[in-house]
Amino acid sequence: DAGVIQSPRHEVTEMGQEVTLRCKPISGHNSLFWYRQTMMRGLELLIYFNNNVPIDDSGMPEDRFSAKMPNASFSTLKIQPSEPRDSAVYFCASSLALTAGGVGNTIYFGEGSWLTVV
Amino acid sequence: QQQVKQSPQSLIVQKGGISIINCAYENTAFDYFPWYQQFPGKGPALLIAIRPDVSEKKEGRFTISFNKSAKQFSLHIMDSQPGDSATYFCAASIDRGSTLGRLYFGRGTQLTVWP
Repeated sequence: DAGVIQSPRHEVTEMGQEVTLRCKPISGHNSLFWYRQTMMRGLELLIYFNNNVPIDDSGMPEDRFSAKMPNASFSTLKIQPSEPRDSAVYFCASSLALTAGGVGNTIYFGEGSWLTVV
Repeated sequence: QQQVKQSPQSLIVQKGGISIINCAYENTAFDYFPWYQQFPGKGPALLIAIRPDVSEKKEGRFTISFNKSAKQFSLHIMDSQPGDSATYFCAASIDRGSTLGRLYFGRGTQLTVWP
């Protein structure tokens, strides 16, 4: 079974450049999450979508960050312009959000995109 | 504000010992409590989960203990093995309505099991 697929796995870019991270969720899943992981702040939820609609983007750090989900099988997280403090591992995750009373909503994570901004 | 507080930040245990990681929460609306395991270079993966209608759940060497009145839950790893060395995250969610599926994670515990 294909899990959540993220690209690129590693990216090194210069400050001020645009960075686009890509995600293909697990087929059939209806919720998609973007997380950022750093030593200082742990796992932070940036934004999540349900049925391709952004539900909560309160975790997006600032206007330099934007996320889109044009269809059920693809999402992007864009940083423009990038800054050194954006260096982190960015995880995409997906789940099949069941109705209340279900068995719980397991979130499946991709392997992450390791971003370094110099 | 951290919705789920996790301790300790790091833990070193000898092979065969018991590893215990604790988490606490404030929001009584939380009704789903999973634990995730993350190996270096990988994304977190679900290890075990519990709902507040039970006080304990066991899967192999892994047990979640849940104390609803104290708003605390913990992960116990029995007979810890070097292969258990990883970062463990507790999490909580409100499993209904517009927040369905949204997990609040603890800061993580880095477990090292010495052979």
